[in-house]
Amino acid sequence: QITLKESGPTLVKPTQTLTLTCTFSGFSLSTTGVSVGWIRQPPGKALEWLALIYWDDDKRYSPSLKTRLTITKDTSKNQVVLTMTNMDPVDTATYYCAHRVETPDPFDIWGQGTMVTVSS
Amino acid sequence: QSVLTQPPSVSGAPGQRVTISCTGSSSNIGARHDVHWYQHLPGTAPKLLIYANTNRPSGVPDRFSGSKSGTSASLAITGLQAEDEADYYCQSYDSSLFAYVFGTGTKVTVL
Repeated sequence: QITLKESGPTLVKPTQTLTLTCTFSGFSLSTTGVSVGWIRQPPGKALEWLALIYWDDDKRYSPSLKTRLTITKDTSKNQVVLTMTNMDPVDTATYYCAHRVETPDPFDIWGQGTMVTVSS
Repeated sequence: QSVLTQPPSVSGAPGQRVTISCTGSSSNIGARHDVHWYQHLPGTAPKLLIYANTNRPSGVPDRFSGSKSGTSASLAITGLQAEDEADYYCQSYDSSLFAYVFGTGTKVTVL
């Protein structure tokens, strides 16, 4: 059974850096074809893809946020970490991590999400 | 700034059929990238409903079906039930943006 759980601060100040951790079980991020992504949802708005890291450490980022995002993995700990710099109130959202396989390529299992508020 | 457009809301009485459209372009749905659909209840994890345009994961009722044609895709819910009241999102890949893209989202209301 695959599970994912997001963790991190619930409140960050503007200009600070956000660090979120996705801790998962039931799969290995060293298995060919497996990836983990981050998606967010601002209150009342749609889902927005942020970043993706592959089993071979290849990485993909949302073009609009690429300069602010870094995604890394620790295979031994079964964790994926997302950092987002220069946080702004518009970044207030629920942040989700999700499991994905290459073919087909949906985000098939999601974590419960963690709400992050950006406010001074 | 979603590149996949969905109607903001659809509604229907219990037992009725509703459809949700997802309109894209030649760089995403029209480029033969697969479309996936998710059901999202507030405060819960989004759930994969349809993958690769028409396929249902194990455990998803056959009341849910997906289709794709040209630059658009659709999700149909037949025999609408109260528990289907949720937000629904389509998702694909955009070759021009080099990004995974979600639809604008549709709220389904059971009357």
